[in-house]
Amino acid sequence: QKEVEQNSGPLSVPEGAIASLNCTYSDRGSQSFFWYRQYSGKSPELIMFIYSNGDKEDGRFTAQLNKASQYVSLLIRDSQPSDSATYLCAVGSGGYQKVTFGIGTKLQVIP
Amino acid sequence: EADIYQTPRYLVIGTGKKITLECSQTMGHDKMYWYQQDPGMELHLIHYSYGVNSTEKGDLSSESTVSRIRTEHFPLTLESARPSHTSQYLCASSEWADEKLFFGSGTQLSVL
Repeated sequence: QKEVEQNSGPLSVPEGAIASLNCTYSDRGSQSFFWYRQYSGKSPELIMFIYSNGDKEDGRFTAQLNKASQYVSLLIRDSQPSDSATYLCAVGSGGYQKVTFGIGTKLQVIP
Repeated sequence: EADIYQTPRYLVIGTGKKITLECSQTMGHDKMYWYQQDPGMELHLIHYSYGVNSTEKGDLSSESTVSRIRTEHFPLTLESARPSHTSQYLCASSEWADEKLFFGSGTQLSVL
């Protein structure tokens, strides 16, 4: 079992719709959760982070965390073609340990 | 402007050559990392450092070596490049008590 699992996609949504990206992790001791956006040929860019159960909103992005289910999600409201990218879920154990990345979900927003 | 810089952006080299990938940051971060990423695959941690004179191997076995003589500089060296080393190499940094990573633009290495 991989430590961080994501559906590689592609996930296709029409412009203006809500895109829902999901991630599960295996280590129950995980403390920190991140979403990175990676455009083709570019390096990852941090867009959201969450540490506590519940929702965290930043503009059109909402991160959701459920530690009991070991599940993290990213919602993108009013999806735009410029949101088309690969979204990487990353999980950390807090402090001095490493961060583990999922394979990423490719999102395509259709105009 | 605070940033993290990687050079070269692209490198094509022959088998057996020694190469050094450069990474420098002006973020003031203590921790630095090297990740390897192949197309459609996860990022794999190959080296990390907590500070000057600190270097550790990551999860993915790598024939590369790193050094951390200055806080802002974390170069990666391959003594003898092979085609299996062809990949994208990403350098990242973070604050000491944080796991939020900031990435450089990456080096795409091709070994012929």
